[in-house]
Amino acid sequence: AQSVAQPEDQVNVAEGNPLTVKCTYSVSGNPYLFWYVQYPNRGLQFLLKYITGDNLVKGSYGFEAEFNKSQTSFHLKKPSALVSDSALYFCAVRDTGGFKTIFGAGTRLFVKA
Amino acid sequence: DADVTQTPRNRITKTGKRIMLECSQTKGHDRMYWYRQDPGLGLRLIYYSFDVKDINKGEISDGYSVSRQAQAKFSLSLESAIPNQTALYFCATSVGPNNEKLFFGSGTQLSVL
Repeated sequence: AQSVAQPEDQVNVAEGNPLTVKCTYSVSGNPYLFWYVQYPNRGLQFLLKYITGDNLVKGSYGFEAEFNKSQTSFHLKKPSALVSDSALYFCAVRDTGGFKTIFGAGTRLFVKA
Repeated sequence: DADVTQTPRNRITKTGKRIMLECSQTKGHDRMYWYRQDPGLGLRLIYYSFDVKDINKGEISDGYSVSRQAQAKFSLSLESAIPNQTALYFCATSVGPNNEKLFFGSGTQLSVL
């Protein structure tokens, strides 16, 4: 069965510093991997996805994620954090033969000015 | 206007009551989903539908039922609400099997007393 783990409940970073939000996954076959962001009182918004190709995927708002097959990881990164990046971030996975997207528990990012 | 609209935004009900949450979309997507969000658990899939005649159970379908009235409408029912169904409920849509980016509504906060 497919699963997603986000090992950190919360990540704190100072504005201007790089940020990383971690994600590992387990899936049979080749994975489709996603990151979504949730701002207060809003639904989830798509940030980026990895299907195939380059291991470094670029997405919205300056975010990027690196797919590492050997470590089964898909960490979200940004070179310089903004206060407005503070939100709840979800990693998600769907296997190529499946029909469902499974989400991690979420990581709350706090960016301090 | 939002592409994926959920009604109501908030609902308080009592144990044992029947309640329906509604979702409509203007994106023209065939696939629709219901998720619930609980703190520390992320999003869990309740039901999903790939077209009007296709309904499938997700991870946590017990105590819930759904109806796909049209391509654009997918409703979730709690036949006899119980307190542990208190959660934030999200409807989502997607295009199809090779592009599983999900588009979410703003959510319905349900409280069962």
